[in-house]
Amino acid sequence: DGGITQSPKYLFRKEGQNVTLSCEQNLNHDAMYWYRQDPGQGLRLIYYSQIVNDFQKGDIAEGYSVSREKKESFPLTVTSAQKNPTAFYLCASRGQAFSSYEQYFGPGTRLTVT
Amino acid sequence: QQQVKQSPQSLIVQKGGISIINCAYENTAFDYFPWYQQFPGKGPALLIAIRPDVSEKKEGRFTISFNKSAKQFSLHIMDSQPGDSATYFCAASRLKAAGNKLTFGGGTRVLVKP
Repeated sequence: DGGITQSPKYLFRKEGQNVTLSCEQNLNHDAMYWYRQDPGQGLRLIYYSQIVNDFQKGDIAEGYSVSREKKESFPLTVTSAQKNPTAFYLCASRGQAFSSYEQYFGPGTRLTVT
Repeated sequence: QQQVKQSPQSLIVQKGGISIINCAYENTAFDYFPWYQQFPGKGPALLIAIRPDVSEKKEGRFTISFNKSAKQFSLHIMDSQPGDSATYFCAASRLKAAGNKLTFGGGTRVLVKP
């Protein structure tokens, strides 16, 4: 089955710890994205990557870091510098530029930091 | 700065009724307007999308109306069903901009009563 997988579904961490969220896609998509969703709010873009070994900051990149060493993988690290890390994190991917507009979303990871 | 404003925040409709969700945007460079449907604990899924060269697009019970001069677009769900109960997000992007980033509205929680 083609799609986007995010693991784990639920993640709990203590304040001050870094945590890495996994995102893998087998759609052969070039572009990948990370969004954050807070209760009752829309999605806000954290980082995006259009090709391997390249990524750009989104609207709320502070306190987060990413890497794109492989086309199919785009892990997100939530660092201890992120002031309000508890949220629902969504990964998305999109096909070749200008040939596919749709962003496909993964099932999300709910991160709780206490 | 919220570039896409969505209303209402929540909506209750009887089975068989019409659900109407409105969005307004500010950036006239936006040229792609998708609507996403999200069920609790899941990632959003593309429902229907429109480009500004048409004023209306219909797919089954879902219709997008687009008013370029007013910078507004809306989603109509005809013959609403309990299975349509979900959160709906409008979004906008510039297809030829770097990253094809989506800007999301705040979401509308729709409840269809049987």
